[in-house]
Amino acid sequence: AQKITQTQPGMFVQEKEAVTLDCTYDTSDPSYGLFWYKQPSSGEMIFLIYQGSYDQQNATEGRYSLNFQKARKSANLVISASQLGDSAMYFCAMRIQGAQKLVFGQGTRLTINP
Amino acid sequence: NAGVTQTPKFRVLKTGQSMTLLCAQDMNHEYMYWYRQDPGMGLRLIHYSVGEGTTAKGEVPDGYNVSRLKKQNFLLGLESAAPSQTSVYFCASSLRDDSGNTIYFGEGSWLTVV
Repeated sequence: AQKITQTQPGMFVQEKEAVTLDCTYDTSDPSYGLFWYKQPSSGEMIFLIYQGSYDQQNATEGRYSLNFQKARKSANLVISASQLGDSAMYFCAMRIQGAQKLVFGQGTRLTINP
Repeated sequence: NAGVTQTPKFRVLKTGQSMTLLCAQDMNHEYMYWYRQDPGMGLRLIHYSVGEGTTAKGEVPDGYNVSRLKKQNFLLGLESAAPSQTSVYFCASSLRDDSGNTIYFGEGSWLTVV
């Protein structure tokens, strides 16, 4: 069975600092994708970044990057130069190729302090 | 630019009442999903559909039924609501199940059963 673990229930960071949100996953399938979603207080789920299991380079999208360490089965999200608007819940998720569902972690609540 | 639209956004039900949540997507996606989100538990898959006329059970299907009569619509029904079904419900859609295809979410529907 697939499983996603986010060990940080909450994090507090000063504005403009970089922040790393941890995510580890468990699967025996060689082909999978890893996703990060942001959920602000308004509730919607916003897609941030995707990493494929066969991708050689870490994914980047603007201020977001994914630190993919396949041997350790970790897919940490790095946000550079954090902003007040980054305060939200962040979910790591995994999808196995051929599977119909996205499996989510429990989330990390990030608070950016001015 | 609608994407995934859910109605209603808020609803209060009495125990034993029935209701239907409607999800509509305009991206011509084959796959559609219903998730529920509860505090500390991330998102859990209720039911999903891989195409018009097909549905399948997810992790937590009990107490819910679904139908996909048209490709763009996916309905979630509660026949006899229970307080345990108080939750935030998210509809989502994606192209076929390759692991790299992003799943897009609606804005959520807040349901309270009293």
